[in-house]
Amino acid sequence: DIQMTQSPSSLSASVGDRVTITCQASQDISNYLIWYQQIPGKAPNLLIYDASNLETGVPSRFRGSGSGTDFTLTISSLQPEDIATYYCQQYYNFPYNFGQGTKLEIK
Amino acid sequence: EVQLVESGGGLVQPGGSLRLSCAASGFTFSTYWMTWVRRAPGKGLEWVANIKRDGSERYYVDSVEGRFTISRDNAKNSLFLQMNSLRAEDTAVYYCARARDHYYFDYWGQGTLVTVSS
Repeated sequence: DIQMTQSPSSLSASVGDRVTITCQASQDISNYLIWYQQIPGKAPNLLIYDASNLETGVPSRFRGSGSGTDFTLTISSLQPEDIATYYCQQYYNFPYNFGQGTKLEIK
Repeated sequence: EVQLVESGGGLVQPGGSLRLSCAASGFTFSTYWMTWVRRAPGKGLEWVANIKRDGSERYYVDSVEGRFTISRDNAKNSLFLQMNSLRAEDTAVYYCARARDHYYFDYWGQGTLVTVSS
């Protein structure tokens, strides 16, 4: 099974800050990576697919990058509505494991 | 408008069974893979199972293999998860989701809570 490791596990930042979350796969997954956002009390929301493609309707301040084993989700200017837990997920093969999540809070 | 509505959650004793349902609308259900994902209290998301458009292929996380069965009824636009031999560690909110292009979970239901406890 492919293991996905996110860092940090939690993060506190101020409105307007640039925020970076990393995700590492235990083996090469090419660009078979998705980022989801889960706002408290809501279902997860697809942000980025194929490592760097922005889902329709997602604000352009979200950007995904990386390939192989190392991936990054960047929020260019943090907004209050970005308070959520962020997950990466690989779909290179089954089981489609998620990372453990990064909880983002506003300072 | 795409909608996914889960039902069937509840309190069940260890070793018991539950059947979750997911009613789909607003898209051509039979043309999409579907998935179940869960989130245990205080934990992260865990992928549980996927099923192909026609039900001919099914995949499970190891921890539920042999106990859970994913199925679908394309005539009724419905997805199911039969859960047997339930354990305390199966306690979670269970989400159904549509899998665009097989992989991208682009629409999700609101979730249904399963609690396994005596």
